[in-house]
Parts: sequence; C-alpha cells; structure tokens
Amino acid sequence: GDSVTQTEGQVALSEEDFLTIHCNYSASGYPALFWYVQYPGEGPQFLFRASRDKEKGSSRGFEATYNKEATSFHLQKASVQESDSAVYYCALRPNTGANTGKLTFGHGTILRVHP
Amino acid sequence: GPKVLQIPSHQIIDMGQMVTLNCDPVSNHLYFYWYKQILGQQMEFLVNFYNGKVMEKSKLFKDQFSVERPDGSYFTLKIQPTALEDSAVYFCASSLAGGDTLYFGAGTRLSVL
Repeated sequence: GDSVTQTEGQVALSEEDFLTIHCNYSASGYPALFWYVQYPGEGPQFLFRASRDKEKGSSRGFEATYNKEATSFHLQKASVQESDSAVYYCALRPNTGANTGKLTFGHGTILRVHP
Repeated sequence: GPKVLQIPSHQIIDMGQMVTLNCDPVSNHLYFYWYKQILGQQMEFLVNFYNGKVMEKSKLFKDQFSVERPDGSYFTLKIQPTALEDSAVYFCASSLAGGDTLYFGAGTRLSVL
C-alpha cells in the first residue's frame, strides 16, 4: 500500500537557521503531495500541495518540490522563527481519479526553534 | 480560516461502553472524514462520508464503528462497544469537494479504561 516516510522525528534549530525535513513516499503513479502543520492544541493545518513532477509548493516561507524520480517532497525554509515550532506532517493522496480525499500521513516531525 | 470544531476535547469511558464523538464541520463543506492517531503513531484514515453515505472506509473502521450526520447537524463517530485499543486521538475533517483541501479539527482524545 501507499506510505510516507519522514526521516526526522525531531529537529531542533536556532532562529534564522535553515530547515530541511525529509519526506519520501511510496505510491503508484502521480499522487498529490501535501505538507500540513500542527500547532499545540490545534488540528493539522494545510500548508501547501503539489500534484506534478517538478512542481513547487510554497506558503509562509516554506517550500517543497515534487521529485518523482527520487519519490521525495522535502520541506525547506531558509530562516526559521520561534513561531515555526510545531509538528510537520507530509502526506499523499493517491491519484485514483475518485478524489475521495483519503490522505496517507507520515509520522510527523517535531520542530523546535530556540530564540 | 475555516474552522472545524470537535466536542469534547477529551473523553474518558470504561471499556464496553458506547461513545459518540461530535464534529461541527465547516458550514458549506460536503465531505466529511474521521482519522485516528494512536500515541506516537501517524494519523490514519478511518472513513469518509458524503451525501449521507460512507464512501470509503479503512480496515481500522471496525464493525463497532458507525458515522452519521443527521439533518445537517453534527457529523458523529459512534463506537459501540468500545475496546481498549480504541484509545487514541480522533480527528474530524471536512472539505468542500472530494479532492479539495481537508480542514481538520483539534481532535478528541478518547481514553478507554
């Protein structure tokens, strides 16, 4: 079945550091790929998505590029802030044509940014 | 942004009892979902619901589970009877269309004793 792997369970950075959270997926065809962010006490919030090879998704300074060959969708941000501290989830939705909205999530990466 | 509300935020019940988790989806959304997250594990899809019917369910959606949205009110997940392995955080989500962005609630933490 489909799967999403996030390499880092936790990431600790200082403000203005560069962020990379690795996400690799396993699915047939061209699934839609997503990043969600979850702040304490809240549900996951949609950050952005990409649906085609080499498409870049971005929002709030975060970005990721769909890489079909590497089956990756790594999240990056050039300069993190303390307010970016949250849990980040990579997810995929299979391109079955049915558009059921069923997402497969990774385990999540806890990002802690220190002032 | 659009908000999905889940009530209650935490529910504690004894094994074997019935529990109903309530979700108030975004007002004009037509598709509704439940996801389950056991502590330390990823969120997993349970079920989606559209036009009064279950469209798709996973193997986690046991026979003891049911969903409904009577008369456009709360979208509910009922578990009857509950088992210890049902302890988890349950997230409700909604979307305008099946392929659209999902908006999640803050979750209900269910503790089955």
